[in-house]
Amino acid sequence: AQTVTQSQPEMSVQEAETVTLSCTYDTSESDYYLFWYKQPPSRQMILVIRQEAYKQQNATENRFSVNFQKAAKSFSLKISDSQLGDAAMYFCATMNRDDKIIFGKGTRLHILP
Amino acid sequence: DTAVSQTPKYLVTQMGNDKSIKCEQNLGHDTMYWYKQDSKKFLKIMFSYNNKELIINETVPNRFSPKSPDKAHLNLHINSLELGDSAVYFCASSQPGSRENEQFFGPGTRLTVL
Repeated sequence: AQTVTQSQPEMSVQEAETVTLSCTYDTSESDYYLFWYKQPPSRQMILVIRQEAYKQQNATENRFSVNFQKAAKSFSLKISDSQLGDAAMYFCATMNRDDKIIFGKGTRLHILP
Repeated sequence: DTAVSQTPKYLVTQMGNDKSIKCEQNLGHDTMYWYKQDSKKFLKIMFSYNNKELIINETVPNRFSPKSPDKAHLNLHINSLELGDSAVYFCASSQPGSRENEQFFGPGTRLTVL
């Protein structure tokens, strides 16, 4: 069975600083995808970044990047130059070939001005 | 243009009632999903339909019945509503086999059962 663990229920970071949200997962699949979704107070689920498990190169989207350690089954999200608009719940998720997404329990990120 | 839309956005109802939440996507995707997000923000998949056929059916009470009249719509009907059904329900869609494999989420429907 797939599981996703986010061990940090809440985190805070000073504006303009860098923060890393951790995520570990477990899957028996060899082919899968990993995602980070952001859920701001507006409740909309927004895809932040995705990673194909077969790719060794870490995905990057502007200020967002991941540290994908396949052997360790770790998929952390790094946010550089944090902005007030980054404040949200962040969900790590895996998806296997059946397109079934399993979400972690989320990390609430606070941005301190 | 709205990619995945849900109606209503808010739904307040009495215990025991029957209610429906509608979902429509205009992305041309073959697969649609329903998720439930509880008060602790935990998101869990309920159902998945691929081209109107049920693919994923998690351990959800029989009171929940998804209905897909066509591949652009996946409605969620809930019978005999209970207090524990109060949650935010998200619809999503994706195109299996696409390079991105991303799921696009609707805005959510907050259901409150009194």
